[in-house]
Amino acid sequence: GQQVQQSPASLVLQEGENAELQCNFSSTATRLQWFYQHPGGRLVSLFYNPSGTKHTGRLTSTTVTNERRSSLHISSSQTTDSGTYFCAKSSNTNKVVFGTGTRLQVLP
Amino acid sequence: DSGVVQSPRHIIKEKGGRSVLTCIPISGHSNVVWYQQTLGKELKFLIQHYEKVERDKGFLPSRFSVQQFDDYHSEMNMSALELEDSAMYFCASSLVNSDYTFGSGTRLLVI
Repeated sequence: GQQVQQSPASLVLQEGENAELQCNFSSTATRLQWFYQHPGGRLVSLFYNPSGTKHTGRLTSTTVTNERRSSLHISSSQTTDSGTYFCAKSSNTNKVVFGTGTRLQVLP
Repeated sequence: DSGVVQSPRHIIKEKGGRSVLTCIPISGHSNVVWYQQTLGKELKFLIQHYEKVERDKGFLPSRFSVQQFDDYHSEMNMSALELEDSAMYFCASSLVNSDYTFGSGTRLLVI
C-alpha cells in the first residue's frame, strides 16, 4: 500500500484563507520533509521536520513522529502559493518515498 | 555553490533511442537519488547511490543504468527508450540523514 498518504488530494481557496495539509505515513520515519512544486516543475524544500513544529513565514509544519503524521499549515494564502505540496519520508536506508501530493489553487 | 545541477534541461529522443542524463550534486553531498515524475503526479523513486555504491533501487527499468563517479556526480544511461519514458527526471542530493535538495529536473520527451 501507499507508504505516504496525503490529504486532501486537491484544494481550492480564496486568497486570504488558511489551509491545512495532512500527511500520514505507514512506517517509522527518520526524516520527514515537505516540498513545494512550482507549476513549472521546480521542487523546493519547505521544511525538514522529523519531529516537532517549525515555522517559516506563513508556513507551519508539525510532525508527531509516534503518531506517524505531519501537517503543513498555510496561513493567509496568496495566489503565489498555488502549486503542489509533497510530503516525503525516509527511514534508516535514506530512501525517500513521496506522497501523492496536494494540489493547491488559490484564487484571487 | 549553485545547488544541484541537472543537464540537459530538455531533451527529445526517438523511440528506441538512447539518452544520458547528468546530475551534479551539491559539493560534499555523497548521497544522490533519482526520481521520475509523470504529468505532475507523485515522484517515483528510481535509485539511490551513496559513496559511489548503489544503496537501493526502486522503479528503475532494466533498460536504464545509473553510475556515481568519484566526484559524486551521477549519470543515468537510458537505452531502448519507450514512449512511456517521457517524464521529468529529478535528482537530489544530501548529506547522510539530512534534508534533500533537488535539481531543476530534465524533461524527456520520447516521440
